[in-house]
Amino acid sequence: QSVLTQPPSASGTPGQRVTISCSGSTSNIGSNTVNWYQQLPGTAPKLLIYSTNQRPSGVPDRFSGSKSGTSASLAISGLQSEDEADYYCAAWDDSLNGRKVFGGGTKLTVL
Amino acid sequence: QVQLVESGGGVVQPGRSLRLYCAASGFTFSSYGIHWVRQAPGKGLEWVALISYDGSNKYYADSVKGRFTISRDNSKNTLYLQMNSLRAEDTAVYYCAKEGLYDSSALDYWGQGTLVTVSS
Repeated sequence: QSVLTQPPSASGTPGQRVTISCSGSTSNIGSNTVNWYQQLPGTAPKLLIYSTNQRPSGVPDRFSGSKSGTSASLAISGLQSEDEADYYCAAWDDSLNGRKVFGGGTKLTVL
Repeated sequence: QVQLVESGGGVVQPGRSLRLYCAASGFTFSSYGIHWVRQAPGKGLEWVALISYDGSNKYYADSVKGRFTISRDNSKNTLYLQMNSLRAEDTAVYYCAKEGLYDSSALDYWGQGTLVTVSS
């Protein structure tokens, strides 16, 4: 059972906009920044969003992040076939002497 | 360019120990906290541990507290994970990952991972 809750799957057709939700609590998302990671099959995770809504250099502006209260979202616009991957949200959690927590991951399928 | 290279994985019996290594290059290793994150076969990401830039602060997931020890040698640009009393549920690919420059909670570079299999 992950501390952050994500839907296990999401899907969309090329060109569509999809959103992936991430629900947490006051000790993590409610009081800290959110990160998002993309993991393509057989590869290491890649940072997609940091500081809740910032993109590292090289990440297309089709990807955007937001937060409201204890929930966060990742939006992908203009969906492309290469976006098919697993997506994870994460945040620092201030409980239990501090720990990083991840969501369970969302498998995005491009139909 | 930033590189993180894990090593030390392998097959180990339950109850035994194993030490993982993460060799860093391409950045000022002594300025950044480094994490270990693991991924069991077919499962999601699980955070394992964090060590601060100077080694003075360490944080652990409850699932490994008291069994695993994270450490670093800044003179060798190397991170370690000493894993004792290994259990079947510790079987996973173990990644080391570097803290971000602008957001220390973000992991901006990851290694390729090393597989640990705990089995009799």
